Amino acid sequence: DSGVTQTPKHLITATGQRVTLRCSPRSGDLSVYWYQQSLDQGLQFLIQYYNGEERAKGNILERFSAQQFPDLHSELNLSSLELGDSALYFCASSVIAGLNTEAFFGQGTRLTVV
Amino acid sequence: SQQGEEDPQALSIQEGENATMNCSYKTSINNLQWYRQNSGRGLVHLILIRSNEREKHSGRLRVTLDTSKKSSSLLITASRAADTASYFCATDSNQAGTALIFGKGTTLSVSS
Repeated sequence: DSGVTQTPKHLITATGQRVTLRCSPRSGDLSVYWYQQSLDQGLQFLIQYYNGEERAKGNILERFSAQQFPDLHSELNLSSLELGDSALYFCASSVIAGLNTEAFFGQGTRLTVV
Repeated sequence: SQQGEEDPQALSIQEGENATMNCSYKTSINNLQWYRQNSGRGLVHLILIRSNEREKHSGRLRVTLDTSKKSSSLLITASRAADTASYFCATDSNQAGTALIFGKGTTLSVSS
């Protein structure tokens, strides 16, 4: 158990809908990362937050948004869903930002858009 | 953006053999990490090597880093069936210098 909790584990929704994925980082970790993993695109970095502030942005679509709350949990909002958004979405956390320390990954949310 | 690219994409070996995976990256880094992912599960950190280190060991894992060639390798010795997984290297993002960017990974299959 990494200590990072993601909910829900599975999500099935229709095209055009909006969903929210939630991530609770390990206790004490200030940095949260979101990733999308699909078979053809590999593990794509979406966005990073550090202590409530956006720190780095990757290949995140405009239809997607995220935030980190004062209690450090984070939410990833996906709207106007398309079939191609079906993927595993991972959250990871680390004590500090960057590569000076390891990141701990949650078990992911499997999103299926039908 | 900076990204580690693993090679080979897939590797199949027998139990007891050694497995070597390589990672190349584009620009200077401070540190490089290797992660493992069992099918459909979250990634698990294996080892971190700093830019001033050339080699690091952890159990049956040996990681090397050649900053002049911008490459790293992960060696798993005496492989076991339980080592079957995908292996990823993680490097900096050049956007803000803090994000973890992963390559597409090497899928290792160890048969008994």
